Amino acid sequence: EAQVTQNPRYLITVTGKKLTVTCSQNMNHEYMSWYRQDPGLGLRQIYYSMNVEVTDKGDVPEGYKVSRKEKRNFPLILESPSPNQTSLYFCASRATGAGNTIYFGEGSWLTVV
Amino acid sequence: GNSVTQMEGPVTLSEEAFLTINCTYTATGYPSLFWYVQYPGEGLQLLLKATKADDKGSNKGFEATYRKETTSFHLEKGSVQVSDSAVYFCALSYAGNNRKLIWGLGTSLAVNP
Repeated sequence: EAQVTQNPRYLITVTGKKLTVTCSQNMNHEYMSWYRQDPGLGLRQIYYSMNVEVTDKGDVPEGYKVSRKEKRNFPLILESPSPNQTSLYFCASRATGAGNTIYFGEGSWLTVV
Repeated sequence: GNSVTQMEGPVTLSEEAFLTINCTYTATGYPSLFWYVQYPGEGLQLLLKATKADDKGSNKGFEATYRKETTSFHLEKGSVQVSDSAVYFCALSYAGNNRKLIWGLGTSLAVNP
């Protein structure tokens, strides 16, 4: 079954405590990305990766890091989380090509207090 | 720049009512167009898509036609069910700009029995 799996699904953490949200896909997709979803702002892209070792900033990259050492994994790293990073995060992947379906993980609810 | 505008919600309908959620876009070239659905507590799922002008995407009783002359991709369903209650997102994708999806802000639909 085609899947994008992200963990944790729910997390409450404190300001400044580094955390990583993992993302893994089983479809051999080249393209992966991270979004955050906030009320009234829709989905905004944080970072994306066109392939292994190729990553670039999206629309709202400040405060985040990513890495793409393997094709299937694309972790999102918050080195020093702040309350304005409280959000719902989605990992996504798809094969290259503008018309291809993008597959989303189930989302990770992150609260920074 | 490229953008997607969809009607604001929330939309509240009675079961078996006709549904239209408007979506218009601004884009250079020939984007692919998508509707995604987010059920409560879940991630986003592709509902339907169209990759060229005059294409009609359809799934689960929902339809949308890619209208280049009006730059629109309105979502319709002839008879909604309670289980259709969700947030619906219109999006476009094109070959440039990392092929990312450009999202509308989402329209919340509530269907009452």
